[in-house]
Amino acid sequence: QLQLQESGPGLVKPSETLSLTCTVSGGSISSPSYYWGWIRQPPGKGLEWIGTIYYSGSTNYNPSLKSRVTISVDTSNNQFSLKLSSVTAADTAVYYCVRSTTVVPQALCWGQGTLVTVSS
Amino acid sequence: QTVVTQEPSFSVSPGGTVTLTCGLSSGSVSTSYYPSWYQQTPGQTPRTLIYRTNTRSSGVPDRFSGSILGNKAALTITGAQADDESDYYCLLYLDSGIWVFGGGTKLTVL
Repeated sequence: QLQLQESGPGLVKPSETLSLTCTVSGGSISSPSYYWGWIRQPPGKGLEWIGTIYYSGSTNYNPSLKSRVTISVDTSNNQFSLKLSSVTAADTAVYYCVRSTTVVPQALCWGQGTLVTVSS
Repeated sequence: QTVVTQEPSFSVSPGGTVTLTCGLSSGSVSTSYYPSWYQQTPGQTPRTLIYRTNTRSSGVPDRFSGSILGNKAALTITGAQADDESDYYCLLYLDSGIWVFGGGTKLTVL
């Protein structure tokens, strides 16, 4: 059974870079059948799509975050990662990693999420 | 910029039927937007209910159904139960691999 687990610092200083990793178990990140992505949710607010990546490294990003976001895949460790630069308090959120069975959102499988707080 | 619209809140009586909708600030939602629906209770991870307009995710009871109604995607809950009280989010696929969530609907069962 597929499991996704987010990891990374829970506290990041303003202007620094937020870095998170999603470890995939019970499935291969190199499978051509899946797309991998990140979604976030600020406290008390709705869900926001950040971006998705294919095992080949092809990416799609939310236009509103595109200038600050990098998503990459590490096939050797069965992981994919999120980097968000120049963070502010507005980037404080629970960050979820997800798997979709196609480039369109389909049968999303969710990680449990990790809270990242941006504060000095 | 494309905005996905949902009712901010809705209420339904236990045993009743409710239809939540998902629209676009400009234009109509069709199956080409591959609408999907997610349920989230406070403090919990979202749960996938419906994808590709009307396909139920594994383990989702058949009282949850998805469709296109007029110019919007719709999620219908038939025979509402107390534990259906949650936030519901729709997600649309736009061209070029972009996904956009709606703002969510808070459903109250009372």
